[in-house]
Amino acid sequence: ETGVTQSPTHLIKTRGQQVTLRCSSQSGHNTVSWYQQALGQGPQFIFQYYREEENGRGNFPPRFSGLQFPNYSSELNVNALELDDSALYLCASSLEGGSTDTQYFGPGTRLTVL
Amino acid sequence: GDSVTQMEGPVTLSEEAFLTINCTYTATGYPSLFWYVQYPGEGLQLLLKATKADDKGSNKGFEATYRKETTSFHLEKGSVQVSDSAVYFCALSRTSGTYKYIFGTGTRLKVLA
Repeated sequence: ETGVTQSPTHLIKTRGQQVTLRCSSQSGHNTVSWYQQALGQGPQFIFQYYREEENGRGNFPPRFSGLQFPNYSSELNVNALELDDSALYLCASSLEGGSTDTQYFGPGTRLTVL
Repeated sequence: GDSVTQMEGPVTLSEEAFLTINCTYTATGYPSLFWYVQYPGEGLQLLLKATKADDKGSNKGFEATYRKETTSFHLEKGSVQVSDSAVYFCALSRTSGTYKYIFGTGTRLKVLA
């Protein structure tokens, strides 16, 4: 069974640029959630996708957007990067996205915005 | 709004000591509650969960009970080991509203031999 994978591992961008982060869900999972984790903080929920539809969103501006593909892999896009966007971005997959489901986390993508 | 509050770390204990990491929450409705753990150099993984009031989650000697009356989900272990050194996150999830999952800020545990 393949776990959750993310790419790239590290990324450096400059302010104003756009970035796309990728996530491959665990086999059999149709739900993916994305999180932003600043240094020393807990993960902050960005949004969740269930069967290719957005199924919940946290307090993030519209320049954070996502996609989920028919094979349940996912992308997180961030436009007009700001310095405060520097963080570890985590994706997590789960079986059905219910409130009782266990989430399986990937290793994360470390984004640095200069 | 909904929130999760964890005790500040770091927590430093000697091996075989008793561990408690406090977690309280504020939420409307009936959320599910989780403890996730992040070992050094590894990703977040589920430690235990409880999905309704009075449920007790347990795993690897860790326990936590969903207390609705005190809105708490404290993590306990009777005898910690060096291998338990990690960052522990309390979290809640709910199926409605804007914020679907909320994590605490994490508590770092260091166990000394």
